[in-house]
Amino acid sequence: QVLLVDSGGGVVQPGGSLRLSCAASGFTFSTYGMHWVRQAPGKGLEWVAFIRYDGNKKLYADSVKGRFTISRDNSNNMLYVQMDSLRVEDTAVYYCAKEVGPTYFDFWGQGTLVTVSS
Amino acid sequence: SYVLTQPPSVSVAPGKTARITCGGNNIGSKSAHWYQQKPGQAPVLVIYSDSDRPSGIPERFSGSNSGNTATLTISRVEAGDEADYFCQVWDTYSDHVIFGGGTKLTVL
Repeated sequence: QVLLVDSGGGVVQPGGSLRLSCAASGFTFSTYGMHWVRQAPGKGLEWVAFIRYDGNKKLYADSVKGRFTISRDNSNNMLYVQMDSLRVEDTAVYYCAKEVGPTYFDFWGQGTLVTVSS
Repeated sequence: SYVLTQPPSVSVAPGKTARITCGGNNIGSKSAHWYQQKPGQAPVLVIYSDSDRPSGIPERFSGSNSGNTATLTISRVEAGDEADYFCQVWDTYSDHVIFGGGTKLTVL
């Protein structure tokens, strides 16, 4: 069965950095695009970033472009997002999500909470 | 940028039909997808490609998409359907995933 396990969240000061991970299993990871989606406390879902199955195409929401970097390790079935220059407004639960075409999400991780606060 | 508009809340009595709308400019030309999210849980896909149901989702859940509105319909609503529901599309112009603001379904 498909399983996505998010990790790496925590408390960080504004301007700091954090790297989130998503461990995937139960499917052929290297053949699927993957996304990060976040949800601020009490708010709706916000798409963050996408990476193609081979890692050769990456897309970002305007709110994180230039600060976040999505990557993947197909050898180890891992998805990452490096978050730099963090802002208070980046505080959210971050979910990794498996894409199926045309671009919707059939499986989600359990989420990991990132809190940006001084 | 492309915007999806959902009503903040919808209320329905048990056994009745709930309809949750998702408005967007010519959304009927895109594929619309719907997610259910219960408190403290990750979202779950309930409708994809306008009207298809993933395995395990009850037939009570259905979807349609035409013109400027996509609609999620839940028939014979049960207490367990109480949740937040989000619509989602892929905007080919911006190459961005777009979510609606979400609708809280309350079962009276």
